[in-house]
Amino acid sequence: EAQVTQNPRYLITVTGKKLTVTCSQNMNHEYMSWYRQDPGLGLRQIYYSMNVEVTDKGDVPEGYKVSRKEKRNFPLILESPSPNQTSLYFCASSSHSRSEQFFGPGTRLTVL
Amino acid sequence: GDSVTQMEGPVTLSEEAFLTINCTYTATGYPSLFWYVQYPGEGLQLLLKATKADDKGSNKGFEATYRKETTSFHLEKGSVQVSDSAVYFCALSDLENTDKLIFGTGTRLQVFP
Repeated sequence: EAQVTQNPRYLITVTGKKLTVTCSQNMNHEYMSWYRQDPGLGLRQIYYSMNVEVTDKGDVPEGYKVSRKEKRNFPLILESPSPNQTSLYFCASSSHSRSEQFFGPGTRLTVL
Repeated sequence: GDSVTQMEGPVTLSEEAFLTINCTYTATGYPSLFWYVQYPGEGLQLLLKATKADDKGSNKGFEATYRKETTSFHLEKGSVQVSDSAVYFCALSDLENTDKLIFGTGTRLQVFP
């Protein structure tokens, strides 16, 4: 089954404790993105990757890092999480420009 | 910059009622337009899309027409069901980074029997 998976689905952590949210897709897609969803703001892009070893900032990259060492994986790293990073995070992938983006199920992160 | 504006919710309807969720956009060029749906506890799924002016996207009884003259992409369904209860997002593709989607704030639809 074609899908985007994220782990963990739920995470509660404390300020400053490094964490990684994993994202993996099995569709051989070149493009992968991370979004955060906040009430009243919709979804905003954090980082994206056009292919292996190619990443770039989206609209709200501060406080986040990403890497793309393999085509299927695109982890989101929070080196020192803060409460304003409490949000619902989605990973997405697509095969080429303007094509449908497939979304993962989301990771709900709470930073205390 | 490019942006999407959609009506605030929640929209509350009885089963079999007609649905319209308004969406307007601002863009310097001719982006592709999308409607995504988010069911409770799930990620977003593409509902329909249109890639050029006057295109009509349709799926599962939902329709939306790309109106360049009014910069709109309103979502409609003739007869909603309880199972349509979800959050609906209008989005456009950023022309400089065509893999990037710019989303509206989402509209929650609640359908009651």
